[in-house]
Amino acid sequence: GENVEQHPSTLSVQEGDSAVIKCTYSDSASNYFPWYKQELGKRPQLIIDIRSNVGEKKDQRIAVTLNKTAKHFSLHITETQPEDSAVYFCAASRAYGNNRLAFGKGNQVVVIP
Amino acid sequence: DSGVTQTPKHLITATGQRVTLRCSPRSGDLSVYWYQQSLDQGLQFLIQYYNGEERAKGNILERFSAQQFPDLHSELNLSSLELGDSALYFCASSPGTTGELFFGEGSRLTVL
Repeated sequence: GENVEQHPSTLSVQEGDSAVIKCTYSDSASNYFPWYKQELGKRPQLIIDIRSNVGEKKDQRIAVTLNKTAKHFSLHITETQPEDSAVYFCAASRAYGNNRLAFGKGNQVVVIP
Repeated sequence: DSGVTQTPKHLITATGQRVTLRCSPRSGDLSVYWYQQSLDQGLQFLIQYYNGEERAKGNILERFSAQQFPDLHSELNLSSLELGDSALYFCASSPGTTGELFFGEGSRLTVL
């Protein structure tokens, strides 16, 4: 099955700086790549996703890039704010709408005021 | 509020016991997913149901079982519990037409 790995496991950034989280996946048939944010004690929530027919997608301060050849995708957060502190999970699946998502183990992002 | 309801929120039980976790999906969502979240393993996919039928199975132990009822709510049954089963169990639902999973608040199981 699909194996998704995230790096680094913990990331500390100064408020206002950028944060980048990278994920690799193993299944070349995967074509849907969402990112979920989980605040402490809360449920995971989708923040952005990308499908394999595009290489980059942006939504305000967050963006996701995808390199299908290298089988990796990244989450970019610019102008980080304290409320960006959370665990971020990347995931992959073979079909948009088929939500059997294989999640990475998560990255703890800490934004230092 | 995601619209997905899970009960109970917290559950403490002993090894060898059996528990049932319940999930009500968002109105109109036909798919229900169960995930297990532990500290060292992240979010592990257990099982998916679609409109009452099992659609996909992940790393679900034989001691665990699930079902989805005609009203679309789902139950996850965990039996012969072991210490290692202590985790946060999430239910999620999806309409199937978009990629988004809507997670419930989770049921935290502690096995002593």
